[in-house]
Amino acid sequence: KAGVTQTPRYLIKTRGQQVTLSCSPISGHRSVSWYQQTPGQGLQFLFEYFSETQRNKGNFPGRFSGRQFSNSRSEMNVSTLELGDSALYLCASSPLSGGDEKLFFGSGTQLSVL
Amino acid sequence: GEDVEQSLFLSVREGDSSVINCTYTDSSSTYLYWYKQEPGAGLQLLTYIFSNMDMKQDQRLTVLLNKKDKHLSLRIADTQTGDSAIYFCAETLDSHGSSNTGKLIFGQGTTLQVKP
Repeated sequence: KAGVTQTPRYLIKTRGQQVTLSCSPISGHRSVSWYQQTPGQGLQFLFEYFSETQRNKGNFPGRFSGRQFSNSRSEMNVSTLELGDSALYLCASSPLSGGDEKLFFGSGTQLSVL
Repeated sequence: GEDVEQSLFLSVREGDSSVINCTYTDSSSTYLYWYKQEPGAGLQLLTYIFSNMDMKQDQRLTVLLNKKDKHLSLRIADTQTGDSAIYFCAETLDSHGSSNTGKLIFGQGTTLQVKP
């Protein structure tokens, strides 16, 4: 079974631009969560999608948005990029087997904002 | 509130045992997890323990859970240089509680350095 796939692996953008990151979950997994990881803040939850609906949302500004498609693939978008958005963005999928919330992570997209 | 605490750094010599500790706050957590992150990579699920267990062993890994003290530990026997990584513990969020932290609450990670 293929793991969680994130594309692209690396991105370099400039301030003010917008960016879209993609995540394909493990086949059969219907939940996709996104995390931002920085050296200073650690892992911070962005949002979770299930069946094309956002279930939970972390404490990030509205510049961060996401969506999920009918095949469970998910994208996240960051508009008007700021230097502080430079981070590793991790996507994780889970099978949602009731009480067992194992998350399986992709390798991440390393975003650098110049 | 919800918080998972870990020490930030541990250094051991190759062949020694490593013990990484974690304290958590949500006594209703069903599962507790250990994840490993190697440089430049995502998080890899290492092992997990169900909350009604005290101990789980998986090859070189031993997880101990003390529910009374809300303390979780990961012991790595015969630590190798390939074990050098950041280790995160995580607890399941109470499904009836706040949802702005996602499914799991992660600690800040313990960097394990293994010296040859």
